[in-house]
Amino acid sequence: GPKVLQIPSHQIIDMGQMVTLNCDPVSNHLYFYWYKQILGQQMEFLVNFYNGKVMEKSKLFKDQFSVERPDGSYFTLKIQPTALEDSAVYFCASLGVSQNTLYFGAGTRLSVL
Amino acid sequence: GQQVQQSPASLVLQEGENAELQCNFSTSLNSMQWFYQRPGGSLVSLFYNPSGTKHSGRLTSTTVIKERRSSLHISSSQTTDSGTYLCALERGNNRIFFGDGTQLVVKP
Repeated sequence: GPKVLQIPSHQIIDMGQMVTLNCDPVSNHLYFYWYKQILGQQMEFLVNFYNGKVMEKSKLFKDQFSVERPDGSYFTLKIQPTALEDSAVYFCASLGVSQNTLYFGAGTRLSVL
Repeated sequence: GQQVQQSPASLVLQEGENAELQCNFSTSLNSMQWFYQRPGGSLVSLFYNPSGTKHSGRLTSTTVIKERRSSLHISSSQTTDSGTYLCALERGNNRIFFGDGTQLVVKP
């Protein structure tokens, strides 16, 4: 079936550094999401993105966060600078125009030291 | 407050037993979906079920909109069913809310 690819699967960085998480959504999908899940806790909505714009973002989507999808490339989540509390698994998801099924990537585990 | 509540929070079964997982939502919805999260984190979509009953193998999902609930029934559970089951509802503006999940452990 359709797949959402996330690169890398695991990223370890020092606090204060910049990190970019990459997501290759399902082709022809138009709605993109990032979610954050701290180990053992609920999956939390961060942001959704459509037509080159942020549609909605949660309180967890701090000023240090940004998203973009330059034409034909990855949908990215950038954190600059990172903080210890940013350590979590970040899931990317995409949704087609028919808005039938949300497809998730396998997640990127971010460890901020 | 939380818009999606799942119960039970955790469930332990012997292989072969059935499971009934519940999802209650406090708001109106455009759609709802059940996911399975493998130990280790990746998510698999089980059902897109905004209303009515759907079947897939040993799984059955029933959503009753006017009662604001959805259930996931697993029959003849297997050890490979162990993991976390998440329900998610979608409201307007394509915003999707997740429940806390049900942690299922199926023992051999």
